[in-house]
Amino acid sequence: GAVVSQHPSRVICKSGTSVKIECRSLDFQATTMFWYRQFPKQSLMLMATSNEGSKATYEQGVEKDKFLINHASLTLSTLTVTSAHPEDSSFYICSAREGHTDTQYFGPGTRLTVL
Amino acid sequence: GNSVTQMEGPVTLSEEAFLTINCTYTATGYPSLFWYVQYPGEGLQLLLKATKADDKGSNKGFEATYRKETTSFHLEKGSVQVSDSAVYFCALSPTGGGNKLTFGTGTQLKVEL
Repeated sequence: GAVVSQHPSRVICKSGTSVKIECRSLDFQATTMFWYRQFPKQSLMLMATSNEGSKATYEQGVEKDKFLINHASLTLSTLTVTSAHPEDSSFYICSAREGHTDTQYFGPGTRLTVL
Repeated sequence: GNSVTQMEGPVTLSEEAFLTINCTYTATGYPSLFWYVQYPGEGLQLLLKATKADDKGSNKGFEATYRKETTSFHLEKGSVQVSDSAVYFCALSPTGGGNKLTFGTGTQLKVEL
């Protein structure tokens, strides 16, 4: 089956630093990748949609300058949380879609803790 | 806008009990409907899906039927196991919506011996 990996699985950083999270599709080419944020005991909230080779489309209320998304290849997308603050602490999850199918395959998530 | 409403959890059942997790949605047109499962410490996995009215999605003993007349997609399983303990998310992808998923809040299921 389709596998999506994320790295790192957990990261702790100091306030003001930047953190990069990688999302990779391991056995398929992901034309579209999605980034979600999940708060404890809450649902996933879509942050942005990224298509390979083009700029990401951000959901309303998501700061594009704070959450930088790059989708440079068909198997890799990165999310960089710039100048992280404690309120950015969350579980970040990516998903990937192959071609124009309606099924998204999810990564295992990255737990970000900002001190 | 689009929305998904799930029954609140946690739901606690004994092994071999019957499971129903209710899910209703609001969307225009004919969305695709999904159930995802998140086991402890893992990412979401697609459990089943249905893309048109009256379709029944099924997998691992779970099933859900796309009911357009009641805008529902309830998840059922006839006999749950301890290994089914997880959080279950209902989601929709709107027609022509670029495959953007809208999730419900999730329902935690605990199955005890």
